[in-house]
Amino acid sequence: ETGVTQTPRHLVMGMTNKKSLKCEQHLGHNAMYWYKQSAKKPLELMFVYSLEERVENNSVPSRFSPECPNSSHLFLHLHTLQPEDSALYLCASSGRLSGSWNEQFFGPGTRLTVL
Amino acid sequence: ELKVEQNPLFLSMQEGKNYTIYCNYSTTSDRLYWYRQDPGKSLESLFVLLSNGAVKQEGRLMASLDTKARLSTLHITAAVHDLSATYFCAVDQGSQGNLIFGKGTKLSVKP
Repeated sequence: ETGVTQTPRHLVMGMTNKKSLKCEQHLGHNAMYWYKQSAKKPLELMFVYSLEERVENNSVPSRFSPECPNSSHLFLHLHTLQPEDSALYLCASSGRLSGSWNEQFFGPGTRLTVL
Repeated sequence: ELKVEQNPLFLSMQEGKNYTIYCNYSTTSDRLYWYRQDPGKSLESLFVLLSNGAVKQEGRLMASLDTKARLSTLHITAAVHDLSATYFCAVDQGSQGNLIFGKGTKLSVKP
């Protein structure tokens, strides 16, 4: 595997379900990100992890819970979601932060539908 | 708060024509990125612009950055159908390396 991978690619869940999205980067990067992309809004940054510590949480509802067990893996745990949470969830990683350039590489995304 | 504005948001052009997409941002930054997204796909990095006056070209696309004007342009030369996609600019917010994305420009190139 190369680059940034995400699983599953498609997910349909009910509002009472609990599921997790997984992201893995094979680029040796030290920062990972979750974004939400919906038809109505531009790319929204949800969470940022730098060296496995969460450094950004953009007022995301608590029904979204991130986890970063190591610098290569990032999870987004989902529970009691709402239909308006249906969107494309993109994971990204980057190699350097703060004072240096920060090109982010994106995974293919998980298309989430909440019924 | 850093804001990034792209225009136009929708662009329909004929093959062979030239056009420019504009990306304005509201606060100081000297790092700007252009991405391409095909329908249903992820974002692909096109250009990384790291300083004032930076210009990069790849095929029919050329990107430039003017940090004093807080403006980047993505110029399309002699468009072809394969360039149809949504193009995003993103500005580095600096503190934690967060990128703020524009709303994207949906480009459609017609024969």
